[in-house]
Amino acid sequence: HLVESGGGFVKPGGSLRLSCAASGFTFSDFYMSWFRQAPGKGLEWISYISGSATYTYNADSVKGRFTISRDNANNSLYLQMNSLRADDTAVYYCARSVLKPTGCRYFDIWGRGSLVSVSS
Amino acid sequence: DIQMTQSPSSLSASVGDRVTITCRTSQTIRTYLNWYQKKPGKAPNLLIYDASSLQSGVPSRFSGSGSGTHFTLTITSLQPEDFATYFCQQSYSTPPYTFGQGTKLEIK
Repeated sequence: HLVESGGGFVKPGGSLRLSCAASGFTFSDFYMSWFRQAPGKGLEWISYISGSATYTYNADSVKGRFTISRDNANNSLYLQMNSLRADDTAVYYCARSVLKPTGCRYFDIWGRGSLVSVSS
Repeated sequence: DIQMTQSPSSLSASVGDRVTITCRTSQTIRTYLNWYQKKPGKAPNLLIYDASSLQSGVPSRFSGSGSGTHFTLTITSLQPEDFATYFCQQSYSTPPYTFGQGTKLEIK
């Protein structure tokens, strides 16, 4: 079970921090990712973090502006979003990542999303 | 980045119909292809992973096939709750984990 929070309205250039509370599984055992879906658009993967937080990776569209982090003691995932732009307006989802022995990675548990709206 | 081409972009069908959605990739991704269902205001729901493995709890009317660069999602005997948007997603090699543009399945 995943629940996002922290979304809202912000002006261009502003900042927001999204949180994702996890329950029902051993949080530290799993990579986690953030995705987003802009109005009328498809899904976009934007960031991942390894279980121990050793590895992180961001999409080019958010590199240098967004930072993913996690607190395994509190079963929480975060996305710090700085220098927000109008095209960052979207519903943001957190998701659990599973890696099969075959090498395929997929996302099996998703939150219901948190809306971020960037407008002047 | 690996490009995804999903077709059709929209599809009208009736309850009980069989429908097929196609996803093609710009380079081979072996079987590292997943399918999700998305309804407005709801979280994405994983249907198929690794091209053809049915996610636990997903009805058996959903099936996936393919490898390399050509993949399909088939829904047999459409149910009212299946009308939604469907996305393919690849997870080959390193990120970004790109998605297809989506197929909106509507009631005829």
